[in-house]
Amino acid sequence: DQQVKQNSPSLSVQEGRISILNCDYTNSMFDYFLWYKKYPAEGPTFLISISSIKDKNEDGRFTVFLNKSAKHLSLHIVPSQPGDSAVYFCAASAKSNYQLIWGAGTKLIIKP
Amino acid sequence: DGGITQSPKYLFRKEGQNVTLSCEQNLNHDAMYWYRQDPGQGLRLIYYSQIVNDFQKGDIAEGYSVSREKKESFPLTVTSAQKNPTAFYLCASKQGHNSPLHFGNGTRLTVT
Repeated sequence: DQQVKQNSPSLSVQEGRISILNCDYTNSMFDYFLWYKKYPAEGPTFLISISSIKDKNEDGRFTVFLNKSAKHLSLHIVPSQPGDSAVYFCAASAKSNYQLIWGAGTKLIIKP
Repeated sequence: DGGITQSPKYLFRKEGQNVTLSCEQNLNHDAMYWYRQDPGQGLRLIYYSQIVNDFQKGDIAEGYSVSREKKESFPLTVTSAQKNPTAFYLCASKQGHNSPLHFGNGTRLTVT
């Protein structure tokens, strides 16, 4: 049973526009959420996180929104740049064991 | 520069052979993790260690073994009992509960 779902395997966005990546979760005990970016043949790199006490966190071009009632979070990248082309993973953890549960990833392609 | 080093980047083995993947970190992190990534899937936890001389099984520990004799090192052995060993293996570390994981650049293991 997938507790963290990224339903879009891929997303194509024009350079300069907004990229919106979505993530849904089922476990109401999750209280910490992270987004990672991964290039081929490299390890994921941490992008941004959000705690369940907030509904928004911003860092430069990256903003994460959390909707606890819908069990949904999204990552907004604006403006999108060619270097943003990568696979984006959403992950979540709960205070009970702090282990991260990962989504399957969304491949973002930024078109020139 | 502080970071996590995984070696080698590519590894080829014959079926029936054990193989050990190296992971070293100089971030002074207490916790270390091994994940496996398969195409179209999220990261799956193999083993983790919160402290030296202690480690716990993750979700897919069968066919794998680890040791944690030093804080800096967390080698993973893929044994001949692992039914589908060909995959991309990622090592990570972190310090503190709600803190992001730092990843190495991975080892791609191919078993034929």
